[in-house]
Amino acid sequence: NAGVTQTPKFQVLKTGQSMTLQCAQDMNHEYMSWYRQDPGMGLRLIHYSVGAGITDQGEVPNGYNVSRSTTEDFPLRLLSAAPSQTSVYFCASSYERTDTQYFGPGTRLTVL
Amino acid sequence: AQSVTQLGSHVSVSEGALVLLRCNYSSSVPPYLFWYVQYPNQGLQLLLKYTTGATLVKGINGFEAEFKKSETSFHLTKPSAHMSDAAEYFCAVSRSNDYKLSFGAGTTVTVRA
Repeated sequence: NAGVTQTPKFQVLKTGQSMTLQCAQDMNHEYMSWYRQDPGMGLRLIHYSVGAGITDQGEVPNGYNVSRSTTEDFPLRLLSAAPSQTSVYFCASSYERTDTQYFGPGTRLTVL
Repeated sequence: AQSVTQLGSHVSVSEGALVLLRCNYSSSVPPYLFWYVQYPNQGLQLLLKYTTGATLVKGINGFEAEFKKSETSFHLTKPSAHMSDAAEYFCAVSRSNDYKLSFGAGTTVTVRA
């Protein structure tokens, strides 16, 4: 199993550009989520999904969109990038609601 | 809502010394508690977790943590630090009826030779 994979590893955007961060898992996990990590703030939940076709907002959802058309994939879309979205983004998944979450290697995004 | 407080953003220990990382939480329902470790330029890896049952939880790499309900704490310890323990450590909590994890701000551990 590859576990949780994320692409790209690094990305530089200009203000106002849009892009999609990809996340995929091959463990047949129902639960998937996106976090952003900023210095001194830990990880903050952006959006999460409890199964295909079901998504919900986390702590910091503004400026981001998600969809879950398959169990395996959970892309995160930045609609119009802003410098405040410069961060490291992690995708995570778990089999059950309160099970251990497995994290991807992260995407480091810089918005100029 | 739940929140997590990690006391001390940086901890420096000598090799062979005790590692103690403090975590306090607030939760309106019984919590599930986690410690994750993050090595440089990597994702997070689970060290240990508490869901129910025994309050002293043993994890990987010689770490353990004790859930103390009366103190709302879940401190992480390791009796003897190794150079490979240098990393950032995150405490996290979820409610027993929820999926969402709330993370502390993290504690960076450096190990002196």
